[in-house]
Amino acid sequence: DADVTQTPRNRITKTGKRIMLECSQTKGHDRMYWYRQDPGLGLRLIYYSFDVKDINKGEISDGYSVSRQAQAKFSLSLESAIPNQTALYFCATSRGHMTGELFFGEGSRLTVL
Amino acid sequence: GIQVEQSPPDLILQEGANSTLRCNFSDSVNNLQWFHQNPWGQLINLFYIPSGTKQNGRLSATTVATERYSLLYISSSQTTDSGVYFCAVEVDRDDKIIFGKGTRLHILP
Repeated sequence: DADVTQTPRNRITKTGKRIMLECSQTKGHDRMYWYRQDPGLGLRLIYYSFDVKDINKGEISDGYSVSRQAQAKFSLSLESAIPNQTALYFCATSRGHMTGELFFGEGSRLTVL
Repeated sequence: GIQVEQSPPDLILQEGANSTLRCNFSDSVNNLQWFHQNPWGQLINLFYIPSGTKQNGRLSATTVATERYSLLYISSSQTTDSGVYFCAVEVDRDDKIIFGKGTRLHILP
């Protein structure tokens, strides 16, 4: 089983719908991240969390919200999806400060029509 | 915020050739990583390299943190090396992990 699991792996939805992408990890890491990948733009940080009570905005947080339900779970929500949120979304974990080797899930491909 | 720039953006090589990919960053960092994204979209850790040089088979990486750059060397390229290579840095100020836009490598058989 994968150490970092994302669900769903693929989702097609319509403009205005609420979408949740879920991430769970078995690595025991404190830090979790959500990134978005668009062609030619690399991976851009949406939100990150250093523990259950510590959530921070990244580079492109507008239009997104997150919930850290437990050390092992970090969910990303799009309250009202729009077409330019069509992208590949990645969840990642790391152990901590200055030990921040990232480990990624397999990605969630979201298409907003 | 920090700028992470990778060069070249695209590279096409014949199988067997060597290549050097570069990552420049504009601020102090705690560490740096290199990743390979394969054609199926998986992100694979290559090196965790805050400073110095590491080697793993045909790949090696060097980070000179004081001069704010890192290099990834690929020798004797194979078609399976194709994909996108990313560097990512942990920013000293706030521990954010920020990625460059990547180098797309295409190895021709």
